[in-house]
Amino acid sequence: EPEVTQTPSHQVTQMGQEVILRCVPISNHLYFYWYRQILGQKVEFLVSFYNNEISEKSEIFDDQFSVERPDGSNFTLKIRSTKLEDSAMYFCASGLAGRTGELFFGEGSRLTVL
Amino acid sequence: GENVEQHPSTLSVQEGDSAVIKCTYSDSASNYFPWYKQELGKRPQLIIDIRSNVGEKKDQRIAVTLNKTAKHFSLHITETQPEDSAVYFCAASKTDSSYKLIFGSGTRLLVRP
Repeated sequence: EPEVTQTPSHQVTQMGQEVILRCVPISNHLYFYWYRQILGQKVEFLVSFYNNEISEKSEIFDDQFSVERPDGSNFTLKIRSTKLEDSAMYFCASGLAGRTGELFFGEGSRLTVL
Repeated sequence: GENVEQHPSTLSVQEGDSAVIKCTYSDSASNYFPWYKQELGKRPQLIIDIRSNVGEKKDQRIAVTLNKTAKHFSLHITETQPEDSAVYFCAASKTDSSYKLIFGSGTRLLVRP
């Protein structure tokens, strides 16, 4: 069964450093997402991406965040200058859209900012 | 803005009993309502979903009901088993925009053997 894959599974970084989280969505999916889950809290929407551009973003997704789909398979989330409060699990998801609405989640990348 | 409220935050039941988790949503245009199960340190896994043109859906021990008028939907788990212990999230989306899911705050279900 095809699945969304994410790397790295865990990254530790110093405050102020740049981080790139990578995702390979399911190949025939058209919509791509990043979500964030701070430990013990709910899953929060960050950004959706369709047709090579951001279709929607949340208030959390400020200027320090960016997304790219550089080569038609990878979907990346970049955090330019990490802060302590960026420590969380970041989930990538993809979906076919259309009538289904179902999203498929990756295993997540745990980011720890020291 | 869009919001999904979920209750209770924790739920402890005896094995074999039923568990019910309730959610309400704020955006009346929402038309897709999935439920996800998340085990510790794992990804959210879809367990059942319902669309706005249906009032109830069942899959073995799991059922979901939707009341569009009241903007409520609920997850029902019957004959609970210890392996049902996890965090359950409800979510809502509109399948006419970016299809993003807005999640509830989660319910930690503990099934006591």
